[in-house]
Amino acid sequence: EAQVTQNPRYLITVTGKKLTVTCSQNMNHEYMSWYRQDPGLGLRQIYYSMNVEVTDKGDVPEGYKVSRKEKRNFPLILESPSPNQTSLYFCASRPSGGAGELFFGEGSRLTVL
Amino acid sequence: GENVEQHPSTLSVQEGDSAVIKCTYSDSASNYFPWYKQELGKGPQLIIDIRSNVGEKKDQRIAVTLNKTAKHFSLHITETQPEDSAVYFCAASIVGTYKYIFGTGTRLKVLA
Repeated sequence: EAQVTQNPRYLITVTGKKLTVTCSQNMNHEYMSWYRQDPGLGLRQIYYSMNVEVTDKGDVPEGYKVSRKEKRNFPLILESPSPNQTSLYFCASRPSGGAGELFFGEGSRLTVL
Repeated sequence: GENVEQHPSTLSVQEGDSAVIKCTYSDSASNYFPWYKQELGKGPQLIIDIRSNVGEKKDQRIAVTLNKTAKHFSLHITETQPEDSAVYFCAASIVGTYKYIFGTGTRLKVLA
């Protein structure tokens, strides 16, 4: 089954404790991205990657890091989480070229105390 | 910067009635406009999209219209059913880029 898989789905952590949210897709998509969803703000892009070893900032990259060492994986790293990073995070992917359907994971709800 | 305004933020309709959600975009270079449906506890899923060379597109009970001059596009759902209850997001993008600007979402409730 074609899918985007995120882990963990739910996480409660404390300020300053480094964490990684993993994202993996099995559709051989070149493009992957991370979004955060907050009430009243919709989906905002954090980082995106056009292909292996190629990443770029989205609209809200502060406090996050990403890496793309393999085509299928695109982890989101919070080096020193803060309470304002409490949010619902989505990973998405799509094939390269043109515009087209984004395939989203089921989301990771992160709470930073 | 670029933004997409979406209205209303919540919408309640009786089953069988129509629902309309409207979006306005700011970047005149935008030429791809998808709509996503997000059910509770799930990720957004594409339900329909339109490119700027088309004024309207239909898929069964769902239609999207685009007015490039006014930079408006709208989602129309006819004969609404309880399973249409969800959060709907519009977005604007430019073909060939990797940037999507999403609206703030509309929570649609279809009352049985």
